[in-house]
Amino acid sequence: GENVEQHPSTLSVQEGDSAVIKCTYSDSASNYFPWYKQELGKRPQLIIDIRSNVGEKKDQRIAVTLNKTAKHFSLHITETQPEDSAVYFCAASRMNTGFQKLVFGTGTRLLVSP
Amino acid sequence: NAGVTQTPKFQVLKTGQSMTLQCAQDMNHNSMYWYRQDPGMGLRLIYYSASEGTTDKGEVPNGYNVSRLNKREFSLRLESAAPSQTSVYFCASSEKGSGGYTFGSGTRLTVV
Repeated sequence: GENVEQHPSTLSVQEGDSAVIKCTYSDSASNYFPWYKQELGKRPQLIIDIRSNVGEKKDQRIAVTLNKTAKHFSLHITETQPEDSAVYFCAASRMNTGFQKLVFGTGTRLLVSP
Repeated sequence: NAGVTQTPKFQVLKTGQSMTLQCAQDMNHNSMYWYRQDPGMGLRLIYYSASEGTTDKGEVPNGYNVSRLNKREFSLRLESAAPSQTSVYFCASSEKGSGGYTFGSGTRLTVV
């Protein structure tokens, strides 16, 4: 089955700096890669996703890149702000016609200091 | 527009007790999922229901059972709770082909 590894486990940056979180996956048939943000005590929320027919996707200050050959994908956050502090999870799945089973990484705790 | 609703939010059980976690979604999604979240281990899939009338095991199904009662509701049952089942449980749903889950607010379960 799919296995997703995520690094680093913790990341501390100064406000305004960029942050990069990296994930690797094992199943070459995986074709859907979402990222979730979880604030303390809250539910995970989808912030951006990418499908395997696309190499990069941007949404304001966040972007995700995908390298299918190397089987890794990354989340990039630019101009970080204190409200970006949270735990971020990557995930991977095969997007079947009916449903998807997401396999999650172990999470990255991002701390943005003012 | 409630999304995915889970009950209860908190629960303390004694070892050996049973309980059912409830989950309901009002988005007409076909697929529903139960995950558990433990420190340092991310979210792990317990059971899922690809569509109404079907259920399948995920990565960590031992000690749990599920029921897809109808399209809206998907419950998770612990028949004989163990301390190893202390965790935060999340229910989620997704629509066919759309990508991404909508999560419920979670149930924090402690088994003593």
